[in-house]
Amino acid sequence: SQQGEEDPQALSIQEGENATMNCSYKTSINNLQWYRQNSGRGLVHLILIRSNEREKHSGRLRVTLDTSKKSSSLLITASRAADTASYFCATDSNSGYALNFGKGTSLLVTP
Amino acid sequence: DTAVSQTPKYLVTQMGNDKSIKCEQNLGHDTMYWYKQDSKKFLKIMFSYNNKELIINETVPNRFSPKSPDKAHLNLHINSLELGDSAVYFCASSQDLRYEQYFGPGTRLTVT
Repeated sequence: SQQGEEDPQALSIQEGENATMNCSYKTSINNLQWYRQNSGRGLVHLILIRSNEREKHSGRLRVTLDTSKKSSSLLITASRAADTASYFCATDSNSGYALNFGKGTSLLVTP
Repeated sequence: DTAVSQTPKYLVTQMGNDKSIKCEQNLGHDTMYWYKQDSKKFLKIMFSYNNKELIINETVPNRFSPKSPDKAHLNLHINSLELGDSAVYFCASSQDLRYEQYFGPGTRLTVT
C-alpha cells in the first residue's frame, strides 16, 4: 500500500523564493528518500536520510526527518526556474523489497 | 554513458497484443525494479528482482512477467494487453533497498 503522502499537491513560487514540501508516512522506516521528476523524464535521486538522522543538506536542499511524527520535509532554497518538476518522497516498505512513493508535489518556479 | 536504459521509449499497440520492454543497467547493481506510473503520476512498484529472488507485487496481473537473462537486464513482458495497461513504465536499479535507486527514462505504453 502507498506509504508516503506529499503536501502540498502543487506549489507555485517565484525564482529566488524558498520552496517547502512535506511528506507523511504511516509505518516505521529504515530510510526516506526524495526524488525529482522533470516532465517526461525518469526520477532522479536527490537525497536519502536514514531513520537515525534528523537533518541532511545537499547544496540548496535541506531535508528533515521527524520519526516521532512520521514526517519529512524538503526545503529548496533560492529556487530557480530549472527546479520546476515533481518531487516525490519514498520510504522503504514493510516487506523490505521496494520503495513506496507518494503522489508527489508539483513545483512551478516562475522567472 | 547511460546508467539505466529502456527501449522502446514509446510503444503504441492494440488490445490483445503481447509486447516486451527491455531494460539494461551498467551500474553493476544487484537489484532491479519495474514501476508503473499512472496518469496521475502515482508510482507503483510492480516487481523487485535480484540474482537470487523475484518478488512480485500481489496486485500485478499475471499477464505481466519479468524476465532476467543476466544481472544487468530485467525485461518486462506483457501478454494480452488491456486499455488499463496504458501508463509509463520505469525500470530502476540499486545496490539494494538501503540505497538510492537509479531510474531509466521510462516507456510510455499506449494501448488502443
